[in-house]
Amino acid sequence: GESVGLHLPTLSVQEGDNSIINCAYSNSASDYFIWYKQESGKGPQFIIDIRSNMDKRQGQRVTVLLNKTVKHLSLQIAATQPGDSAVYFCAENRGAQKLVFGQGTRLTINP
Amino acid sequence: NAGVTQTPKFQVLKTGQSMTLQCAQDMNHEYMSWYRQDPGMGLRLIHYSVGAGITDQGEVPNGYNVSRSTTEDFPLRLLSAAPSQTSVYFCASSYSLAGTQYFGPGTRLLVL
Repeated sequence: GESVGLHLPTLSVQEGDNSIINCAYSNSASDYFIWYKQESGKGPQFIIDIRSNMDKRQGQRVTVLLNKTVKHLSLQIAATQPGDSAVYFCAENRGAQKLVFGQGTRLTINP
Repeated sequence: NAGVTQTPKFQVLKTGQSMTLQCAQDMNHEYMSWYRQDPGMGLRLIHYSVGAGITDQGEVPNGYNVSRSTTEDFPLRLLSAAPSQTSVYFCASSYSLAGTQYFGPGTRLLVL
């Protein structure tokens, strides 16, 4: 079936550097994506979302880019901090409460 | 607001036992969902509800029942637990059908 997936299971960056987490999807009709952050022992926390009528959306220290041509989206975290350590999921919102999650990328921050 | 709350935090069951995982939200959200998360994987949708009295199946509904008698509560029932149901269970709610879902802290279930 159609899927959403992340490219790398783990990512390690230096504190202060920018982090880029990638995600690919297979359904060209997909039109709404969400990035979630999940810290150890907690539920997923909404970070930012983007709809297919946009290529880029910015939040506080985070930017999501959507490339519909190659069916790829990325989450960029600026000036990564220790508190950014978590597992990051991209999810496709298929409406009616149906979120389809990728497998997640564990982001580790090196001091 | 407490947001989305789940009880218990952790539960151990024997194969064949039944139990109910509780979920409640105080945000007056119409839409609620149950997901399970297995090690190293993303969340998979079990059941969801678009309002009191209305529920539907998600991606992995087998072995689970739900009901929605009030807007606030959305319990998940395991009628006869199996080791394959060992997982972390998350409840979520949202204000609108395609809106942002807010997740509870999870229930960790171990079936022996």
